[in-house]
Amino acid sequence: QLQLHESGPGLVKPSETLSLTCTVSGGPVTTNLFYWGWIRQPPGKGLEWIGSISYSGSPYYDLSLKSRVIISVDTSKNQFSLQLSSVTAADAALYYCVRHSDLFYSNSGRGYYYMDVWGSGTTVTVSS
Amino acid sequence: SSELTQDPAVSVALGQTVEITCQGDSLRDYYATWYQQRPRQAPLLVIYGNNNRPSGIPDRFSGASSTNTAFLTITGARAEDEADYYCTSRDTSGNRLVVFGGGTKLTVL
Repeated sequence: QLQLHESGPGLVKPSETLSLTCTVSGGPVTTNLFYWGWIRQPPGKGLEWIGSISYSGSPYYDLSLKSRVIISVDTSKNQFSLQLSSVTAADAALYYCVRHSDLFYSNSGRGYYYMDVWGSGTTVTVSS
Repeated sequence: SSELTQDPAVSVALGQTVEITCQGDSLRDYYATWYQQRPRQAPLLVIYGNNNRPSGIPDRFSGASSTNTAFLTITGARAEDEADYYCTSRDTSGNRLVVFGGGTKLTVL
């Protein structure tokens, strides 16, 4: 059974870089069947997609974060990572790593994604 | 618009049926995917595609869609269904791959 586990500093100073790692167990990160992504949830708020990457392809980022975010895959460690630079208080959140599907199309012609495996999340506080 | 709109809160009596809605232009081309998030837990996939349930999700959860609206129906709500429910879809604005609705807090009375 595939499991994901986030790790990284729980406290980051303003203007510094947030770095998180997601360790994948129970399956390889080297699959073209799925993407690996990051989702965050500010305290008391909803879910926000940050970005996703396949091990062999280019990453996709939310345009509002694109200038500050890098997602990468380390196949030797079966991990993928998130770096978010120049953090502010608005970046304080519960960060989840996820596995999500490629875009599928049903017989009706409508497409869909799904995120079927989630880590338990790690809280990041931004404070000096 | 690429946004997905959900009612902030919905309530249902124990054992009754409740429908949670998600509205947005992207749903004309993409099915909504639904996640359940219980307090202090990670989200859980409950419905994807054209009413598909992952293994382990009870069949009281079902999904449907119309032109630009998706529906998550819980038939015979149980106390453990009390949670936040989020819809998500492909974003058609080009700003991101995935867009989330704001979430609906379901209270089981």
